[in-house]
Formats: sequence, structure tokens, C-alpha cells
Amino acid sequence: GAVVSQHPSWVICKSGTSVKIECRSLDFQATTMFWYRQFPKQSLMLMATSNEGSKATYEQGVEKDKFLINHASLTLSTLTVTSAHPEDSSFYICSAKRAGATYNEQFFGPGTRLTVL
Amino acid sequence: AQSVAQPEDQVNVAEGNPLTVKCTYSVSGNPYLFWYVQYPNRGLQFLLKYITGDNLVKGSYGFEAEFNKSQTSFHLKKPSALVSDSALYFCAVRSLYNFNKFYFGSGTKLNVKP
Repeated sequence: GAVVSQHPSWVICKSGTSVKIECRSLDFQATTMFWYRQFPKQSLMLMATSNEGSKATYEQGVEKDKFLINHASLTLSTLTVTSAHPEDSSFYICSAKRAGATYNEQFFGPGTRLTVL
Repeated sequence: AQSVAQPEDQVNVAEGNPLTVKCTYSVSGNPYLFWYVQYPNRGLQFLLKYITGDNLVKGSYGFEAEFNKSQTSFHLKKPSALVSDSALYFCAVRSLYNFNKFYFGSGTKLNVKP
């Protein structure tokens, strides 16, 4: 149980285009999902917290207009990188917190590698 | 502020030998501590957590971690390493003020050689 999927697993796009990444909780309902960014050989940095049915909460320094987050259902959150540029190339990982979870344990997706040319 | 530190970028160990991956934390109150493992191009997999109770926590794949309050440490251990344990390991602490926010260490690459 507690499986989180991401789609696509990798994407290559041209500079200036927008890319949508999906995060799904497959066998549980997730009231809260999280989006992280991981640079090579570095740790995960929380970008934003996504709550079902409400606006996402962004961490300091993260451009909300560039990284659009939508959490339309209890099993799906999407991250759209708008007008992507090469510096947006990174490994994006989502995680989900199970509804009713006691200790805020997060279940992570396999990640999406974004390469912007 | 809460943070964790992983002082070793890389740990090398021979298969069959015990392994330790170090983590120290800085938290003003009682910490909620976690260990995750990441395989190449994959997301993080939960290994174990310490919330309260016994200082020795047992987790997945034969891993365990010892919470030491006096040394503010939460080192990950395994009695006998496997080549398949080679991966990137992250220690994390949950924020005291935002229960949804985790602070991750910089990661330690574990290399287990046959």
C-alpha cells in the first residue's frame, strides 16, 4: 500500500514551453501533496505544499506564477512549469500524506526528470 | 530552527561488513526523525522513523537506527551490508512548527563492494 506515481518519468522540452507533471496516490487518499526539487548530488528542497481543493502554499523563493500547482482531487496533484528555461532542469519529486495519517509520514513518487533545452 | 546534518558524502563498506551512515540533528524540542533511501532516478523510499519510545528503531530491509539524545544523533545501521544496499541515503527531521514540512540532510552515498 501507499504507492505514489508520477507521470511522466522524464521529459525533454524546448525553452519557453510549459510542462505538466502529474502526481497520483494510487491506493490511498492524499489530502496533502508536496512538490520537491532535487539538484544533482544535493538534497530535496520543498517547493510547495498542495492541499486538495485549496491554493498551494509556496516556500520562500519559489515563484508561484512559474510553478503552477493544482490539487483537484484527493488522488491527483499537478505541477506545471510555465515558460521553462534551462535553469529549470531538475529532478522533481512529489510526495503525499495519507489522509488521517498520525505522524505526517510522506510517501514519495519516483520522480520526474525535466530537461529544458 | 530545525536541521539535520550528514557529515559524510560517501561511505564505502565491504559486503558482509556492518555499515553506519551518520546523521545529527538540531531541534529545539523532541524530534521526529526519518531515514529514506533513494536509488538512481527514483523517488525516496521510507526506511524507518523515530517518534518516541525505544531508542533503537528497526526498519525496512534489515536497517535500524539509534536515537541518541545526548549526542543529538540518529545514525543508520545494518549488521551486514549487501551490494544491493548501495544507494543514496537521506536523514530528515520534521518541522516542529509545520508538521508537513521536512528538512532533509544532504545525503550520503553508500557504496557496498562485493
